[in-house]
Amino acid sequence: DTEVTQTPKHLVMGMTNKKSLKCEQHMGHRAMYWYKQKAKKPPELMFVYSYEKLSINESVPSRFSPECPNSSLLNLHLHALQPEDSALYLCASSQGNNSPLHFGNGTRLTVT
Amino acid sequence: GIQVEQSPPDLILQEGANSTLRCNFSDSVNNLQWFHQNPWGQLINLFYIPSGTKQNGRLSATTVATERYSLLYISSSQTTDSGVYFCACFTSGTYKYIFGTGTRLKVLA
Repeated sequence: DTEVTQTPKHLVMGMTNKKSLKCEQHMGHRAMYWYKQKAKKPPELMFVYSYEKLSINESVPSRFSPECPNSSLLNLHLHALQPEDSALYLCASSQGNNSPLHFGNGTRLTVT
Repeated sequence: GIQVEQSPPDLILQEGANSTLRCNFSDSVNNLQWFHQNPWGQLINLFYIPSGTKQNGRLSATTVATERYSLLYISSSQTTDSGVYFCACFTSGTYKYIFGTGTRLKVLA
């Protein structure tokens, strides 16, 4: 699936840095998601936005801060991350919460 | 919450062989998707199959919701089929998709 675009593809950041991951879709989908995937594990849900409102927060630490500026955009703001936060971060969208997920290519994050 | 288990966890095939991957879920689901994650990390939609059977080229899938399992069939496997296959189940109880444990497939030339 290439209809969900994530930037950057790779990110290396220090524990004191502030950075943002970006996700964009132009399929008219009303739900957007952030997943985190560690090596050799399945993706784990972090956040769900439905109609631009946060509907699910899976008890994610506050150093991860999501933002949905409009129905096409989803950001994940990162601050004071730990090395164990290094992972592949995947964005997805769907027509509704009960509809097929479409994933972006992910951002591979390394925290040093 | 719902548990989603996949088997086998690892599978090695010679090119041209057929295989069946299984996804068992512990509770009723409203929807089910199969994904292929390639070695670069891309998650590619294969099937959206809450029930019944679907086919797409060399791949087909069957979900028997009443018995709480889904099967993914790969025929005449190719090296490009290598990667990890995930099923993901949507339940109205949790109102989100839960991913299975995955099957890591390697197809040898």
